[in-house]
Amino acid sequence: AQSVSQHNHHVILSEAASLELGCNYSYGGTVNLFWYVQYPGQHLQLLLKYFSGDPLVKGIKGFEAEFIKSKFSFNLRKPSVQWSDTAEYFCAVKRDRDDKIIFGKGTRLHILP
Amino acid sequence: DAGVIQSPRHEVTEMGQEVTLRCKPISGHNSLFWYRQTMMRGLELLIYFNNNVPIDDSGMPEDRFSAKMPNASFSTLKIQPSEPRDSAVYFCASSLFGSSGNTIYFGEGSWLTVV
Repeated sequence: AQSVSQHNHHVILSEAASLELGCNYSYGGTVNLFWYVQYPGQHLQLLLKYFSGDPLVKGIKGFEAEFIKSKFSFNLRKPSVQWSDTAEYFCAVKRDRDDKIIFGKGTRLHILP
Repeated sequence: DAGVIQSPRHEVTEMGQEVTLRCKPISGHNSLFWYRQTMMRGLELLIYFNNNVPIDDSGMPEDRFSAKMPNASFSTLKIQPSEPRDSAVYFCASSLFGSSGNTIYFGEGSWLTVV
């Protein structure tokens, strides 16, 4: 069955630290990949997405993610985090053959001021 | 532009009562999703529709849960009878299947508490 794994359930960093959140998926076909962010008490919002082309994708607020097909990975990165990045981050995968989007269990990121 | 609209935003109900959650997708979108979010299980896909037709309901936890989409602009998720373990945030989302990128847009969620 298709699945999305986020390795870090809870990450705590100081401001200005670098961030990398892991995401792996299991599906052999073509995929679209997403990272969503959920700020406390709010709904999920799109951070960035990959569907073709350059595997290094840049999103909002200084986030980027790299699609490595051979590793079935789509890790999220930010060189210097801010207190306002405190949120939960979800990786998601959509298969090319249908519209079903599967989310990982999320990573809670807490930035210390 | 109006996003995905859900109602009610918050509901507290007693065990055994029927709960109906409502969703209006973004106009022009042809796919609609119902997700449930809890601390224990994270974000789970319950069911999704394409062109008002249920495509995959394998995530619906049990027969107490049902979902309908009578037209392109409205969907309901019903729980009957409700149980305390159904307490969660229920998100509705929509997308335009076939468009480049297939971004899914979420509503603000319905926070359900069953006591």
